[in-house]
Amino acid sequence: DGGITQSPKYLFRKEGQNVTLSCEQNLNHDAMYWYRQDPGQGLRLIYYSQIVNDFQKGDIAEGYSVSREKKESFPLTVTSAQKNPTAFYLCASSIIYRDYEQYFGPGTRLTVT
Amino acid sequence: AQSVTQLDSHVSVSEGTPVLLRCNYSSSYSPSLFWYVQHPNKGLQLLLKYTSAATLVKGINGFEAEFKKSETSFHLTKPSAHMSDAAEYFCVVSEESTDKLIFGTGTRLQVFP
Repeated sequence: DGGITQSPKYLFRKEGQNVTLSCEQNLNHDAMYWYRQDPGQGLRLIYYSQIVNDFQKGDIAEGYSVSREKKESFPLTVTSAQKNPTAFYLCASSIIYRDYEQYFGPGTRLTVT
Repeated sequence: AQSVTQLDSHVSVSEGTPVLLRCNYSSSYSPSLFWYVQHPNKGLQLLLKYTSAATLVKGINGFEAEFKKSETSFHLTKPSAHMSDAAEYFCVVSEESTDKLIFGTGTRLQVFP
């Protein structure tokens, strides 16, 4: 089965702790993306990467960090500097220089208390 | 800069009646346009996409959308709603010269029996 996996589906953390969300794809896509979703606000881009060992900030990168050491993997770390980390996080991937279609994982719901 | 506006945050229909979800876009070039659907606590699934081919685009589950350049619209329609269509729908436009997507704020579709 080709697709994108995100784990875990639900994650609970105490305030002040860093937490890492996993995203893996076996679609052989070059580009990967992290989005944050809050009620009534659509999806906002956190970080994206078009090639291994390179990534760019999206619209709301503050308080987040990423790495892209392998083509298949794009983990997102939510740091303690993120002021309001409770949200639904979605990972996506795409073939670059094509028709821009992105394929989404099932998401991780992070709750920080 | 590109943008997309979903004109209704909520739409309610009865099962078996037509569905219309409205989307207007702003772009200085010929964009790619998408409709994605999201069921509760799930990732996004592509319904259909427009990439400068036919202006009437057919998607999955009986949905279709028409690209109207003169009206800068890309409304989503379905002749007959089904209970399983109840979900959040996102209109999305591609950003010029990048592989990034710009999401609307979503329309929640409710289907009543």
